[in-house]
Amino acid sequence: QQQVKQSPQSLIVQKGGISIINCAYENTAFDYFPWYQQFPGKGPALLIAIRPDVSEKKEGRFTISFNKSAKQFSLHIMDSQPGDSATYFCAASGGTSYGKLTFGQGTILTVHP
Amino acid sequence: DADVTQTPRNRITKTGKRIMLECSQTKGHDRMYWYRQDPGLGLQLIYYSFDVKDINKGEISDGYSVSRQAQAKFSLSLESAIPNQTALYFCATSDLNEQFFGPGTRLTVL
Repeated sequence: QQQVKQSPQSLIVQKGGISIINCAYENTAFDYFPWYQQFPGKGPALLIAIRPDVSEKKEGRFTISFNKSAKQFSLHIMDSQPGDSATYFCAASGGTSYGKLTFGQGTILTVHP
Repeated sequence: DADVTQTPRNRITKTGKRIMLECSQTKGHDRMYWYRQDPGLGLQLIYYSFDVKDINKGEISDGYSVSRQAQAKFSLSLESAIPNQTALYFCATSDLNEQFFGPGTRLTVL
């Protein structure tokens, strides 16, 4: 059972554009929602995370938007750069899944110069 | 030196062979995890351990086993490898929420 659904599977954006990746979850006990970034040949690394007590969190060009009622959250990358080209994973944990992350399927982002 | 190391980085083996993937960490974390990554499926949890005496099955534990030899070491074994276990395998550690991943082991089962 896939508890976190991520879309799109792949995304192509021009340099300077906005990249948007969406995730939806089912388990209402989830209370921690991170995004991980993975470059080819490397393991994933934490990019930014949010808890449901806020609707938005921004770190530099990266913003998470969170909609608790819709059980959705999204990653926005402003002024996308070629160096942002990577695979992005959303994830969630909480409740009986405390200490474990349930990952989305991943989005391959390509930013063209 | 890397905080989370995995050996080997690449491995090709044959159907039916036993293989062990090893993970070591210097972060001092109690929690360790093994994941499998397949294209389009994301990261799936195989096993996890919250301390040396604690071992738990994840979403896809069938065909795999683990051993937590010490706080810093967590190994994954495939007792009898099969071709659909061909994948990228990651070890991770965590303190509370953030997980720190190793560089991965690319395993091919022929």
